[in-house]
Amino acid sequence: DIQMTQSPSTLSASVGDRVTITCRASQSISSWLAWYQQKPGKAPKLLIYRASSLESGVPSRFSGSGSGTEFTLTISSLQPDDFATYYCQQYNSYFTFGPGTKVDIK
Amino acid sequence: QLQLQESGPGLVKPSETLSLTCTVSGGSITSSSYYWGWIRQPPGKGLEWIGSIYYSGSTNYNPSLKSRVTISVDTSKNQFSLKLSSVTAADTAVYYCARQKGSSEYFQHWGQGTLVTVSS
Repeated sequence: DIQMTQSPSTLSASVGDRVTITCRASQSISSWLAWYQQKPGKAPKLLIYRASSLESGVPSRFSGSGSGTEFTLTISSLQPDDFATYYCQQYNSYFTFGPGTKVDIK
Repeated sequence: QLQLQESGPGLVKPSETLSLTCTVSGGSITSSSYYWGWIRQPPGKGLEWIGSIYYSGSTNYNPSLKSRVTISVDTSKNQFSLKLSSVTAADTAVYYCARQKGSSEYFQHWGQGTLVTVSS
């Protein structure tokens, strides 16, 4: 099984901040990684796929990078709508999600 | 506009079978580009993939749940369904259906989710 970890588990930030979330896989997953945003009581929303490809309609302030076992999601300038929980997901072998990173207001 | 809607009982007794249906609208479940999946999220916890199906009936299941899971498709109704047997309190979760890009890729569109509680 491929295990996913994320850091930090919680991140306190202010509007306008540059935010970076890290996701690590227990073994190489090439670029088979997606990022999702989830708000309370809502379904996850796809942001990034194939590690760095931006899903249609997602603001360009979101970007992803990495390959192999280490990946990052960056929000270049945090907006009020971005306070949420972010999950990474590998799809190299079956599907496994990371435990999530909650971005809250500082 | 693609929409997915989960339906089914919100309360299931321990040891019984959980049954949910996902109705797809605004698109065809027989599209060759997509699989259709089930994902769950226990209250306050993370996401767990349960399994996925192609319109032909081909399935993939999470190995940790495989012995208890059956996913089926009804193309005439544009629906796919989940059955999870021998449930316990640990199966209490919000269950989501989703459209999956390809047989082994990401989940592109999600339903709103439905809470299923396992309790006597």
